[in-house]
Amino acid sequence: KQEVTQIPAALSVPEGENLVLNCSFTDSAIYNLQWFRQDPGKGLTSLLLIQSSQREQTSGRLNASLDKSSGRSTLYIAASQPGDSATYLCAVGNNNDMRFGAGTRLTVKP
Amino acid sequence: DGGITQSPKYLFRKEGQNVTLSCEQNLNHDAMYWYRQDPGQGLRLIYYSQIVNDFQKGDIAEGYSVSREKKESFPLTVTSAQKNPTAFYLCASSTLGSNYGYTFGSGTRLTVV
Repeated sequence: KQEVTQIPAALSVPEGENLVLNCSFTDSAIYNLQWFRQDPGKGLTSLLLIQSSQREQTSGRLNASLDKSSGRSTLYIAASQPGDSATYLCAVGNNNDMRFGAGTRLTVKP
Repeated sequence: DGGITQSPKYLFRKEGQNVTLSCEQNLNHDAMYWYRQDPGQGLRLIYYSQIVNDFQKGDIAEGYSVSREKKESFPLTVTSAQKNPTAFYLCASSTLGSNYGYTFGSGTRLTVV
């Protein structure tokens, strides 16, 4: 059974800092990996989707990488802003079976 | 705009009562899912459906029931058999094979009173 772990559980940084969120998974036989953002009391908003054949995806200040062989993905956020404060979840997919990490709660201080 | 609509946003259940959470999508997705989210935990799969009139149990199906009479709709009933129903419930959809990832609704917060 796929297990997804996100470390750290919480992270606080000053505005403007570049940061990396980590996601690890136990089974490398995946179809894709998806990063989500969740604001308090809200649903999940998709940030980036990486297919198993890809190494990375970029959207604006966000860059996600995927290393299937080591079972790791990272989400890089450049020049962080207070509006980036949220919980970031990593999800690993294998044919309509998506497994989620518990998330990293990010706080960006002005 | 295409998306997933969950209703209500907040729901209160009395002991011994069944309640139904609504999930509707207009994305033409074949697959739909229900997840439960508890503080500090990852999302846990309750039920999923890949085709009309068919659905499968997820990891924590006990105390829940679903139906899939239309492609667009996948309601979840929380029955009185669910002993700890207070949680945040999220509905999602995807294409078969989930090649384009999952799309989520805005969630329903259920509280037992």
